[in-house]
Amino acid sequence: NAGVTQTPKFQVLKTGQSMTLQCAQDMNHEYMSWYRQDPGMGLRLIHYSVGAGITDQGEVPNGYNVSRSTTEDFPLRLLSAAPSQTSVYFCASGREGLGETQYFGPGTRLLVL
Amino acid sequence: GEDVEQSLFLSVREGDSSVINCTYTDSSSTYLYWYKQEPGAGLQLLTYIFSNMDMKQDQRLTVLLNKKDKHLSLRIADTQTGDSAIYFCAERGSGTYKYIFGTGTRLKVLA
Repeated sequence: NAGVTQTPKFQVLKTGQSMTLQCAQDMNHEYMSWYRQDPGMGLRLIHYSVGAGITDQGEVPNGYNVSRSTTEDFPLRLLSAAPSQTSVYFCASGREGLGETQYFGPGTRLLVL
Repeated sequence: GEDVEQSLFLSVREGDSSVINCTYTDSSSTYLYWYKQEPGAGLQLLTYIFSNMDMKQDQRLTVLLNKKDKHLSLRIADTQTGDSAIYFCAERGSGTYKYIFGTGTRLKVLA
């Protein structure tokens, strides 16, 4: 198993540009989520999905869109990037169940100029 | 809403014990987790505890849960330089996939 993979590892954008951060998992997990990590603020949930075709907003959803057309993939879209979206983005996946937890990808570092 | 708080920094000497504390507000939390993040990497699960437990031990790690005070702690025995990292506390309720993370505690181990 490759686990949770994210691409790209690093990206520089100009204000107003759009891009998609990719996330894929090969563990057949029903749950996937996106977090952003900023200094001194821990991880904040952006969007999450409990299965293909089902998504919901987290704590900081504004400026981001998601879709879940397959169990494996959960892309995060920035429609019009802003400097406030400079952050490290983590994708995670997991299963419901006793003792289950999330597995995290390696992260995408995004810089918006 | 739900909130999870941690102190930002902790410094200990190699060989000493480290205790990282966390408080949470959601009384319906069922699962509580400790994650470790090394520089430039994602989060790695260290251990977890169910809300009906008071303590869990896993090799050098001991988790204590005071449900009345909503206080969780992680004790690392015989702390090594390789334990230097950011440690995150997280909680989630039963039947929900939403995890709430603390701000993380940066542990620095001095040789």
